[in-house]
Amino acid sequence: GEDVEQSLFLSVREGDSSVINCTYTDSSSTYLYWYKQEPGAGLQLLTYIFSNMDMKQDQRLTVLLNKKDKHLSLRIADTQTGDSAIYFCAESMGPSNTGKLIFGQGTTLQVKP
Amino acid sequence: DAMVIQNPRYQVTQFGKPVTLSCSQTLNHNVMYWYQQKSSQAPKLLFHYYDKDFNNEADTPDNFQSRRPNTSFCFLDIRSPGLGDAAMYLCATAGAGQMSYNEQFFGPGTRLTVL
Repeated sequence: GEDVEQSLFLSVREGDSSVINCTYTDSSSTYLYWYKQEPGAGLQLLTYIFSNMDMKQDQRLTVLLNKKDKHLSLRIADTQTGDSAIYFCAESMGPSNTGKLIFGQGTTLQVKP
Repeated sequence: DAMVIQNPRYQVTQFGKPVTLSCSQTLNHNVMYWYQQKSSQAPKLLFHYYDKDFNNEADTPDNFQSRRPNTSFCFLDIRSPGLGDAAMYLCATAGAGQMSYNEQFFGPGTRLTVL
């Protein structure tokens, strides 16, 4: 079946790195995503990774994918107070499945000044 | 700016009283999705439209219906809201076939309260 799991809460100090972890079960996933949700707002796509990649870097964000262990992580370098939000990991079977997204339950990132 | 708009942002209804949530998009995307997100939970797909083709998720209750009169608009109808239907409802769009990956653009959501 399809299932995505994340730890619920992470607290870091401003300027430190944050690492948010995610595990998924469907090995046929073609794309994996990280979304950010600020209070009262919709979801914003932060970054994505194709399943044949093992790393992707985009400015302060680094995504690592271990396909063998079905483990995905998001590292935020130099974490700022504006990064405080809920971060959702999601998997998709790609356009052939109309891009249905299966989300994890979200990790609340708290950044302390 | 091209965007996904949801109205209203906050909706209060009474137990059993039908309610309609609205979503519009200026992105000219083929696909429109409705997700339900209960407090501290993951968004869960209810159904989606691929152009005019409606696709219901197997576990979406019959109480939930949707209409898409044109490319720009999609509505979520809850025929007889129960207390368990209180949630944030998120609309999203995607331009199927235009990208190799499926980026979904989300609206800000409508928070539904059932009294």
